[in-house]
Amino acid sequence: DAGVIQSPRHEVTEMGQEVTLRCKPISGHNSLFWYRQTMMRGLELLIYFNNNVPIDDSGMPEDRFSAKMPNASFSTLKIQPSEPRDSAVYFCASSQSGEAYGYTFGSGTRLTVV
Amino acid sequence: SQQGEEDPQALSIQEGENATMNCSYKTSINNLQWYRQNSGRGLVHLILIRSNEREKHSGRLRVTLDTSKKSSSLLITASRAADTASYFCATVPTGGGNKLTFGTGTQLKVEL
Repeated sequence: DAGVIQSPRHEVTEMGQEVTLRCKPISGHNSLFWYRQTMMRGLELLIYFNNNVPIDDSGMPEDRFSAKMPNASFSTLKIQPSEPRDSAVYFCASSQSGEAYGYTFGSGTRLTVV
Repeated sequence: SQQGEEDPQALSIQEGENATMNCSYKTSINNLQWYRQNSGRGLVHLILIRSNEREKHSGRLRVTLDTSKKSSSLLITASRAADTASYFCATVPTGGGNKLTFGTGTQLKVEL
């Protein structure tokens, strides 16, 4: 298995533009998580899905952020409009459902909003 | 919000020495996990310890868990330069499904 695949690896965009981050989880994993990592706030859970259904989106900062999982092999995180304070590394992770499994993380997308 | 806090924030040791990192958390948990993050990379799962376990080993890693003190420790024995990374503890709260909350991390540097 190629692991969790995220794209793009780096994204530089201007303030106000729409940004879409993509994630392909490991086949057979039915939980998917989006995290954001910054120096100031560390790793924050934004949203997670079980069996393609959003379970907890309480970490989504505001209405500018949205996430979808149209099928078991693909998820997107969209920011519209983007702001400089959204600059961070965004990680996608997947796991088997249930509380006794570790996560497999993607390599992350480094987003810079100028 | 951060569930766990690691101590120390940074640790520098010589190759061959042991490294110990501590983690404290706030709520009751189902399990606690440790992850490693190399600079510019994603996190890698190292080990999981359930709330009814007190100690677990994996290769050069030893993890302990004290639920009465809400704390855990990660010991890396005979450290190598390749162990240089940030180490995070993460917890699954009781009744929290499989939602992980990460601590603040310890930056470990192993020097030759």
